[in-house]
Amino acid sequence: ETGVTQTPRHLVMGMTNKKSLKCEQHLGHNAMYWYKQSAKKPLELMFVYSLEERVENNSVPSRFSPECPNSSHLFLHLHTLQPEDSALYLCASSQGSARGTETQYFGPGTRLLVL
Amino acid sequence: GENVEQHPSTLSVQEGDSAVIKCTYSDSASNYFPWYKQELGKRPQLIIDIRSNVGEKKDQRIAVTLNKTAKHFSLHITETQPEDSAVYFCAASRAGNQFYFGTGTSLTVIP
Repeated sequence: ETGVTQTPRHLVMGMTNKKSLKCEQHLGHNAMYWYKQSAKKPLELMFVYSLEERVENNSVPSRFSPECPNSSHLFLHLHTLQPEDSALYLCASSQGSARGTETQYFGPGTRLLVL
Repeated sequence: GENVEQHPSTLSVQEGDSAVIKCTYSDSASNYFPWYKQELGKRPQLIIDIRSNVGEKKDQRIAVTLNKTAKHFSLHITETQPEDSAVYFCAASRAGNQFYFGTGTSLTVIP
């Protein structure tokens, strides 16, 4: 359960605030992901990093800005969010072979509420 | 892009009965199909996966079947127990670390 950690676990922010979500993996993986999980919707892949290089950005609004300073850390910077951005934000990691046939390990998530 | 559909969205079974959850996908290039279990307030955890060169895989009470021709795969849980109650997600992925998830099935096992 400590392979992938996320902080904070809960966050309440106003629409004009700037905050950051942090993810750290201790599994020696090379790929990291950000997902958004909203009620009644499938997990939405937001960003993929492989060897610290962003390889996917699935039409995510610019108010979400990812950063991957090294293969163990991933950040999601938030600014001027909207109430509809309230959701559970999950980080995941995988070995990073880019073959797409590898297990993803998820963090516990950050429950975000935008007021 | 890939489109993964999952049915049913909710499922209730009596303890000891079997549960089956089905998913379909659209991209014939998808070659890896994991299933995740998410208990309330917890992270999704992999319970079983199957690759496109295999038709069936079993791990104790859990099995997954894959029909590449029809582009569908299913999760089978036998002898269900109350602790199996959770939300189950299927996913499909291909080269490039692109994972597409289904909308989830909320399984309730009634004691």
